[in-house]
Amino acid sequence: AQSVTQLGSHVSVSEGALVLLRCNYSSSVPPYLFWYVQYPNQGLQLLLKYTTGATLVKGINGFEAEFKKSETSFHLTKPSAHMSDAAEYFCAVSDANQAGTALIFGKGTTLSVSS
Amino acid sequence: DTEVTQTPKHLVMGMTNKKSLKCEQHMGHRAMYWYKQKAKKPPELMFVYSYEKLSINESVPSRFSPECPNSSLLNLHLHALQPEDSALYLCASSQLGSQGAGYTFGSGTRLTVV
Repeated sequence: AQSVTQLGSHVSVSEGALVLLRCNYSSSVPPYLFWYVQYPNQGLQLLLKYTTGATLVKGINGFEAEFKKSETSFHLTKPSAHMSDAAEYFCAVSDANQAGTALIFGKGTTLSVSS
Repeated sequence: DTEVTQTPKHLVMGMTNKKSLKCEQHMGHRAMYWYKQKAKKPPELMFVYSYEKLSINESVPSRFSPECPNSSLLNLHLHALQPEDSALYLCASSQLGSQGAGYTFGSGTRLTVV
């Protein structure tokens, strides 16, 4: 079975500071890994994904994440936080080997950005 | 068209009502999903359809009845719901055999059961 653990249910940063949201996964098969963002009263928006190839993945809005197999991690970073980054962030995993498998989500991390 | 469209956006229903949620996509995706999301919680998988056939039912109560009439449409029929069923219901789709291409989510239906 696959699972995702997001360390820290709430992260607070100042505007302009580094954003680091942590995600560790557990999977017995090659995983596909995703980060989604959810703004209040909205659906989920894909930030970035790792499938195969380059382990450093760049996404939208200046976010990036690095797949580290040895550490089973897929942490999300952004060099400089903006007020508009305040939202809920979900790390998710799916089974790369099996068609039609659903995304399994971590519990989420709420990012707060102060001025 | 790169969107998943969910209707209605908001729904208030009584515990004796019957209603349906609708999800539509025209991306040629052959896997479609229903998730339930309570406030401040992650989405929880309810159902998976592959090639219009139900492939996963995550032990969802029978008062929720999914239907996939064709490759573009996914419905969720609701009957005799309880107040604790109030939540955001999200639909998603993906290409079968190509999950790495990503999952596209709709904006959800916010359901309130009174």
